[in-house]
Amino acid sequence: AQSVTQLGSHVSVSEGALVLLRCNYSSSVPPYLFWYVQYPNQGLQLLLKYTSAATLVKGINGFEAEFKKSETSFHLTKPSAHMSDAAEYFCAVIIYGNKLVFGAGTILRVKS
Amino acid sequence: GAGVSQSPRYKVAKRGQDVALRCDPISGHVSLFWYQQALGQGPEFLTYFQNEAQLDKSGLPSDRFFAERPEGSVSTLKIQRTQQEDSAVYLCASSTREGQDSPLHFGNGTRLTVT
Repeated sequence: AQSVTQLGSHVSVSEGALVLLRCNYSSSVPPYLFWYVQYPNQGLQLLLKYTSAATLVKGINGFEAEFKKSETSFHLTKPSAHMSDAAEYFCAVIIYGNKLVFGAGTILRVKS
Repeated sequence: GAGVSQSPRYKVAKRGQDVALRCDPISGHVSLFWYQQALGQGPEFLTYFQNEAQLDKSGLPSDRFFAERPEGSVSTLKIQRTQQEDSAVYLCASSTREGQDSPLHFGNGTRLTVT
């Protein structure tokens, strides 16, 4: 079965510092992978998706993620954190069609 | 342009009551999903519609949960005889078509609290 594991339920960074949110997947076939962001009391918004076209995927708000098959990872990064990046981030993998399976989420805190 | 709209935003129910949660997807979107998000967890799949057909209901936790989309647009998730463990945010999502390159658009959810 396909699934994702997010390492670290909480990550805290200083404003301007590098953001790194970790996601590892398990899949017997090449996966479709996604990162979503959820602000308080809101639904999920798509940040970026990997669909095998390129291993480095650029998303919105300056985020990007790199698909590494050898490490079964799809970590999310942003060079410089902004206060507005504080939110919960979910990694997800496609099961079939566009049915998503989500990780448990990582709450990002940005300190001024 | 309107996104996915869910109502009510908040619902408090006494244990044993029935509730109905509504989802208005983006106009023309074929696929519609319901997810349940418990506090501190990621969303978990409940059920999936393609137009009016419910193609997958494998995630519904019990027979107290029922979903419908009779005209292939608005969908309703009904929970009968609510229990405290049903307390969660219920998210609806829609997409233009079946397919892995069609992103899901999520509503803001309905937060259900069962007392």
